[in-house]
Amino acid sequence: NAGVTQTPKFQVLKTGQSMTLQCAQDMNHNSMYWYRQDPGMGLRLIYYSASEGTTDKGEVPNGYNVSRLNKREFSLRLESAAPSQTSVYFCASSVWGDTEAFFGQGTRLTVV
Amino acid sequence: QQQVKQSPQSLIVQKGGISIINCAYENTAFDYFPWYQQFPGKGPALLIAIRPDVSEKKEGRFTISFNKSAKQFSLHIMDSQPGDSATYFCAAGWIKAAGNKLTFGGGTRVLVKP
Repeated sequence: NAGVTQTPKFQVLKTGQSMTLQCAQDMNHNSMYWYRQDPGMGLRLIYYSASEGTTDKGEVPNGYNVSRLNKREFSLRLESAAPSQTSVYFCASSVWGDTEAFFGQGTRLTVV
Repeated sequence: QQQVKQSPQSLIVQKGGISIINCAYENTAFDYFPWYQQFPGKGPALLIAIRPDVSEKKEGRFTISFNKSAKQFSLHIMDSQPGDSATYFCAAGWIKAAGNKLTFGGGTRVLVKP
């Protein structure tokens, strides 16, 4: 089982460029999440999708948009990248109402 | 505003020693407190979790202690091994809530010296 797969693993963007981070899970989970990880800040929730067809803002949504393409896929888009968005991004999924979130291996994004 | 505060940011322990990581939360509505373990280059993975109706939970060498009145919980790693060297995150959330959103602490980098 692949679990949660994120692409790409590494990316360098110039300020103002746009890009989409892809996430897919093969565990038939209802809920999916995007977190960012910064030193000393832990993981902060950007957006989540409780179930297919719904998306909601998390703690730090500014500068991001998401799309729940289907039950398996949840993408994160940066429309105009800023240096403050340099971070490691993690996608996660879980069964709705279940306790364990499964994380992908992360995307390390640098905005110069 | 960080709703879950974690300390220390890093710690070094000798093989066989005890690692202790502490977390404090603010929102009394939280009813689920997991700990995640993360190795370099990997995503976090669930290590152990506790509900507030119990004061302690043990799984192998890992123990969570929970103090509801103080709004604090801690992770104890007994007989620490070099393979335990990782970053540990505490978190808090709501079971059965739509989306099961988690609020994470800032993380503790643990280094176990052989």
